[in-house]
Amino acid sequence: EAGVAQSPRYKIIEKRQSVAFWCNPISGHATLYWYQQILGQGPKLLIQFQNNGVVDDSQLPKDRFSAERLKGVDSTLKIQPAKLEDSAVYLCASSRDGPNNYGYTFGSGTRLTVV
Amino acid sequence: GQQVMQIPQYQHVQEGEDFTTYCNSSTTLSNIQWYKQRPGGHPVFLIQLVKSGEVKKQKRLTFQFGEAKKNSSLHITATQTTDVGTYFCAGPTSGTYKYIFGTGTRLKVLA
Repeated sequence: EAGVAQSPRYKIIEKRQSVAFWCNPISGHATLYWYQQILGQGPKLLIQFQNNGVVDDSQLPKDRFSAERLKGVDSTLKIQPAKLEDSAVYLCASSRDGPNNYGYTFGSGTRLTVV
Repeated sequence: GQQVMQIPQYQHVQEGEDFTTYCNSSTTLSNIQWYKQRPGGHPVFLIQLVKSGEVKKQKRLTFQFGEAKKNSSLHITATQTTDVGTYFCAGPTSGTYKYIFGTGTRLKVLA
């Protein structure tokens, strides 16, 4: 089966600009996650969708970050305005029934640099 | 809040030497997962442990879940250059399927 697709692969923006990331999960996977991985740290969950509904967004900085999953398939994560500390890799992951048993399947990620 | 720590943070070994990373949770875990992230890559799921004291093997990798289900270890026998990367453990927050990732151990293997 095809993996989790993400684009773009890399993005460089100036602070206060906006940016959007796209994710297409594995076909049939109802649960989609966005993770932020700062250099040298483990991934941190930003938001979890079940189909097109938000399950957990407790760690999403809602003043600048937003995410949506239209029609329960593709998802976009947006940052507006970006700050220097948003420089990180943004990983999308999906799972059929949750990460229990078989873990998360991550995409290749989008490396964001804010200058 | 729940914390998952790993030691060591970095480890350099000569090819053929053994390697162990330790994972410690501030709370009891229902299960623990291990992931490997190659340099420039994304985390890849390796295994899940569920039972107290459970030991699982994957070729040269041995995974162990502590009796109290608050710690875990990953041991690699006779490391190879292909083992290079960062190893993360991850455990669910109590009563949820929301996994907290550990701080990671970065392994470098010198040929």
